[in-house]
This record gives sequence, C-alpha cells and structure tokens, in this order.
Amino acid sequence: AQSVAQPEDQVNVAEGNPLTVKCTYSVSGNPYLFWYVQYPNRGLQFLLKYITGDNLVKGSYGFEADFNKSQTSFHLKKPSALVSDSALYFCAVRDIWAVRDDKIIFGKGTRLHILP
Amino acid sequence: KAGVTQTPRYLIKTRGQQVTLSCSPISGHRSVSWYQQTPGQGLQFLFEYFSETQRNKGNFPGRFSGRQFSNSRSEMNVSTLELGDSALYLCASSWSDLGETQYFGPGTRLLVL
Repeated sequence: AQSVAQPEDQVNVAEGNPLTVKCTYSVSGNPYLFWYVQYPNRGLQFLLKYITGDNLVKGSYGFEADFNKSQTSFHLKKPSALVSDSALYFCAVRDIWAVRDDKIIFGKGTRLHILP
Repeated sequence: KAGVTQTPRYLIKTRGQQVTLSCSPISGHRSVSWYQQTPGQGLQFLFEYFSETQRNKGNFPGRFSGRQFSNSRSEMNVSTLELGDSALYLCASSWSDLGETQYFGPGTRLLVL
C-alpha cells in the first residue's frame, strides 16, 4: 500500500530566505505526487503535481517541487519566502496502478511559518 | 466556473444523532472524494465516487456512508454520531478518477456535543 511522510511538523523560515518542505513517499508502482496548501478555515488549494516528465515541477505562487525517484522524495521549494506563504502544506501520493487501492493518501501536513 | 461547494458550512449535533453533508462538484467533474480532517489524525480519506459508483473506501466504520447522484452531486451521511466525529469534512472533485488534480471545497465543520 502507498504511504507518504512529511517528517517535519513545523518549519520556520525568515522572509526572503529559500524554503523547503520535505516529503517522502512509498508506492509499489509509479506515483502521482501532489502538493496542496491550506489557509486557516479554508479547504485545500492545489499547488502543483508530478505525473511524468521533468523532475522539477513548477506550480502556483512561485512554488516548485523536486521529484527524486532514487530517494523517493518530492520536496516543495521556493527561492524567496513571503510572510503570506505561512500556511499548512500537504503532500499527497496516488499509485494509479495499484489494483483496488489507488486512493490518494495525504501526509499529516507541515506548518510553515515565515518570520518577518 | 464555480468551485466546489459544500453545505452546510457549520453544523452542531449531539451524540447519537445523524447528519447528512452535501457536496456539489465543479461543473463537468464526475469524481467526488470525501475526507475527514482532525488536528490529531490529519487528513483521512473516507470514500471516492465516480459516475455514481463507489471506487474506493477508507478505513472508517459503517456509520459513515455516502452516495453520488446522476448530476455528480454527492452526499455523505454519518449515523449515531460520536464525539470523535467532530471534524472538518472536506469534499474534493476531479474530472476523472485517473489521478487528476482534486479541487477542494471549503469544508463542513461538524461539532458533536
């Protein structure tokens, strides 16, 4: 069965510095990988996804993610953090080739604090 | 194009009651998934529907059920509510069931007293 881990409950970054939010996954087949962001009292908003192709995926609001198959990681990155990036970030994985078990699995989330 | 809508947005119930939550997907989307979000357990998958058929089901007791209508709108029902059912229930829709991006509604916050 597929699984996803976000090893950090919280990440603190100074405004203007680069940020990284970590995600590792485990699937038996080829993964579809997603990043979502959640602001207080809101649903999840889609940031980016990896299905196939270039390992560096560019998404919304200047975010990008680096797919590394050998390390089974899909870390979220941004070159220069903004205070408005402070939110809860979720990584998700789906193994669409898993017979009868291809549901999307979400990580527990990482709370990102951007310090002014 | 209108986003995913969920009704009601807030709900207060007492133990033992039942509740029905509604989700209207983005126009043209045929897949609807439901999630339960709590501070302790994070985001947990409940079930997924595509063209009125349940495709996947998470590890929740039978008190949790759902259905999808021919217009792709979906409802989920929780019977015999327990205090632990207090959570944010999120609905997400996508065009298909083949790993497409899911778009989430604002959620229904359920409080069980």
